[in-house]
Amino acid sequence: GNSVTQMEGPVTLSEEAFLTINCTYTATGYPSLFWYVQYPGEGLQLLLKATKADDKGSNKGFEATYRKETTSFHLEKGSVQVSDSAVYFCALRKSGGYQKVTFGTGTKLQVIP
Amino acid sequence: DVKVTQSSRYLVKRTGEKVFLECVQDMDHENMFWYRQDPGLGLRLIYFSYDVKMKEKGDIPEGYSVSREKKERFSLILESASTNQTSMYLCASSGQVDGYEQYFGPGTRLTVT
Repeated sequence: GNSVTQMEGPVTLSEEAFLTINCTYTATGYPSLFWYVQYPGEGLQLLLKATKADDKGSNKGFEATYRKETTSFHLEKGSVQVSDSAVYFCALRKSGGYQKVTFGTGTKLQVIP
Repeated sequence: DVKVTQSSRYLVKRTGEKVFLECVQDMDHENMFWYRQDPGLGLRLIYFSYDVKMKEKGDIPEGYSVSREKKERFSLILESASTNQTSMYLCASSGQVDGYEQYFGPGTRLTVT
């Protein structure tokens, strides 16, 4: 079946540090890949997505590239801010109109001033 | 803006009570989902619905049922609440009009005592 593995947290960084959160997946075919973010006390919201191999999703300074050869979709940001403190979820959706999404366990990021 | 609303942010119920969690979306989405979120386990799908009166079990349906009588409303029912159902419950919706991106409500934190 489908699965998503992301790095354990929490991750603690100083403001302006470089961020990488690793995500690898297992799925047949060509799934769509997502990063969702959950700020404290809120539901999840889509941060970025990529729908085919070598696509790069980007939003709010965050980027992730769909790497089919390594089945990975690592999240990066060049300079984090305190306001980026949140829980980040990697997720996939199988191709072919299949609407269920498989989520990773989430990585908590804390950015300190 | 897509809006997914949930009837309560916080709920405290006693063991054995029947519990209803309501979710409403205003974007005419075909699909609606109920997840529970627990630390270290990420999001797990309880049930989803792809049309009015249609439902499909997710990964952890035991102890839950659902109802979708109208397109915009999806209810999660705990027939007889137990302490192991204490969790955060998240509702989401998706539709063809938005490329099947999932939009989440703010969540209901349910405590069963």
